[in-house]
Amino acid sequence: DAGVIQSPRHEVTEMGQEVTLRCKPISGHNSLFWYRQTMMRGLELLIYFNNNVPIDDSGMPEDRFSAKMPNASFSTLKIQPSEPRDSAVYFCASSSRWGNNEQFFGPGTRLTVL
Amino acid sequence: AQSVSQHNHHVILSEAASLELGCNYSYGGTVNLFWYVQYPGQHLQLLLKYFSGDPLVKGIKGFEAEFIKSKFSFNLRKPSVQWSDTAEYFCAVITGGGADGLTFGKGTHLIIQP
Repeated sequence: DAGVIQSPRHEVTEMGQEVTLRCKPISGHNSLFWYRQTMMRGLELLIYFNNNVPIDDSGMPEDRFSAKMPNASFSTLKIQPSEPRDSAVYFCASSSRWGNNEQFFGPGTRLTVL
Repeated sequence: AQSVSQHNHHVILSEAASLELGCNYSYGGTVNLFWYVQYPGQHLQLLLKYFSGDPLVKGIKGFEAEFIKSKFSFNLRKPSVQWSDTAEYFCAVITGGGADGLTFGKGTHLIIQP
């Protein structure tokens, strides 16, 4: 298995631009998680899905952030408009209820907003 | 809401020294506990996990952790560290049924000097 796949690996954009981060979970996993890592706040859960349905989005910073999971093999995290304080590494993770819910992380997307 | 505290933000050790990283969580119910490692420039990898049973769990690369319920602790240990153990270490918890997102500690930056 290729593991959790994220794209792009690096993104540099200007303030005000729309940013879309992509994630492909491990095949067969039914839960998908988006995390953000910053120096100041560490690793934070943004949102997670079970069976493609958003369960808890209380970690999403504000309305500029949105996430979708149109099918079991794809999810997006969108920031519109982006701001410099959104600069962080965004990780996607997936898990299966049959595997004791261990979460497998992708390589992350390093976002820089200028 | 649950929280996780890691007592040491930065630890510097010499090779062959023994390691213990502290982790405490705040939640009175059932928890699943994890230690993740993030090597420089890489994504999060699972070191070990506790779900139930023997409170002393062994992970990869010679790491182990002990779950002490009365102390709400899950400290990570290694008898003899190597230079290659230089990394960021994160303690994390999932509460209840385990299908939720991880709550992470702020991390401990471990530097092993040759």
